[in-house]
Amino acid sequence: AQTVTQSQPEMSVQEAETVTLSCTYDTSESDYYLFWYKQPPSRQMILVIRQEAYKQQNATENRFSVNFQKAAKSFSLKISDSQLGDAAMYFCAYRRSNFGNEKLTFGTGTRLTIIP
Amino acid sequence: DGGITQSPKYLFRKEGQNVTLSCEQNLNHDAMYWYRQDPGQGLRLIYYSQIVNDFQKGDIAEGYSVSREKKESFPLTVTSAQKNPTAFYLCASSPGDSNQPQHFGDGTRLSIL
Repeated sequence: AQTVTQSQPEMSVQEAETVTLSCTYDTSESDYYLFWYKQPPSRQMILVIRQEAYKQQNATENRFSVNFQKAAKSFSLKISDSQLGDAAMYFCAYRRSNFGNEKLTFGTGTRLTIIP
Repeated sequence: DGGITQSPKYLFRKEGQNVTLSCEQNLNHDAMYWYRQDPGQGLRLIYYSQIVNDFQKGDIAEGYSVSREKKESFPLTVTSAQKNPTAFYLCASSPGDSNQPQHFGDGTRLSIL
């Protein structure tokens, strides 16, 4: 069974600084997707970024980027120029294949605090 | 606007009572999912359905039941067999034939009276 591990229950960063959230996963599959979701206090789940396993290039979305290390099964999220609105729970998630109807496996989350 | 609607936002259950959480989507997605979220445990999959009239158990299906009679709807019943139902419940959906991510509703908070 696939597992996703987020070893940092809480992180904090000064506003405008950069922070990296860690995620590791375990799978025997070769094709899969990885996701980072953000859950602000409103508890809505918002997709931040996604990475296809067959792509070597790391995904980027504005201030958010990932460091995908397939051999190490590592998928970290870097947030640059942190803003107060980035404060939230961040969940790493794995999906077995590139079909949209496959279930997600989530990590336990990292609570990110932004210090003004 | 297209999206996923969960209702009610807050729900209270008495001991021994079954309750049903509603999830409706107008995104024309084939697949739908129910997750349970507890503090410090992330999201855990209860049930999912990849197509109408078919569904599969997730990791924590005991004490829950679902139906998928319509593409748009995937209600979750929390039965009296679920001994610790207090949690936040999230419904999600995704297209069945593309590489698009799951979209989530705003959730239902269930508490025991």
